[in-house]
Amino acid sequence: EVQLVESGGGLVKPGGSLRLSCAVSGVTFNTLSMNWVRQAPGKGLEWVSFISRSGSDIYYADSVRGRFTIARDNANNSLFLQMNSLRAEDTAVYYCASFITVFGVVSAAMDVWGKGTTVTVSA
Amino acid sequence: SLVLTQPPSVSVAPGQTARLTCGGNTIGPNSVHWYQHKPGQAPVLVVFDTNDRPSGTPERFSGSNSGTTATLTVIRVEAGDEAVYYCQVWDTHSDHPGVFGGGTKLTVL
Repeated sequence: EVQLVESGGGLVKPGGSLRLSCAVSGVTFNTLSMNWVRQAPGKGLEWVSFISRSGSDIYYADSVRGRFTIARDNANNSLFLQMNSLRAEDTAVYYCASFITVFGVVSAAMDVWGKGTTVTVSA
Repeated sequence: SLVLTQPPSVSVAPGQTARLTCGGNTIGPNSVHWYQHKPGQAPVLVVFDTNDRPSGTPERFSGSNSGTTATLTVIRVEAGDEAVYYCQVWDTHSDHPGVFGGGTKLTVL
């Protein structure tokens, strides 16, 4: 069974930095394309960033581009999100999620999610 | 860029059919995925590639796409189906391809 466990959330002041991690188990990690998705309090889901299986393809939401960096360590089954220049509007629960693979074909639907880690940006 | 519009709320009685819509200006060529999200839990994928179900999703859930509007249909609605449902598309023509709709709260009366 594939499991994703996020960590690294916490309280940080505006302008500060945090590094989120997502530990992956139950699967060969380099077969998974990965995403970060967040949900601000009282708001809906917002896609944040994507990284391909090899790390060669990376995308960001406009709201975080230039401030956040996604990365992965396939040798250690881990996904990361480095968050710099944090703003109050970055306050959210952050989820890591993997794309589904059916009969070897990857679909851009997220079928496995972690439970999330909470980031609070406040003075 | 692609914008997905969902009605904020839909209410149905138990045993009835719920139809949750997801409208987009260029939704047509894209596969649409649907998630069920209950408070305090991680989202759950219930339909992918417009009308496929992951193992574990009841057959009561189905999806369709008319080209401008995607629909998640839930037949024989149960109390446990109450949740917020999000549609999602991957816009391959964009440099920020992940797009979620705003979500629809399904209330079971």
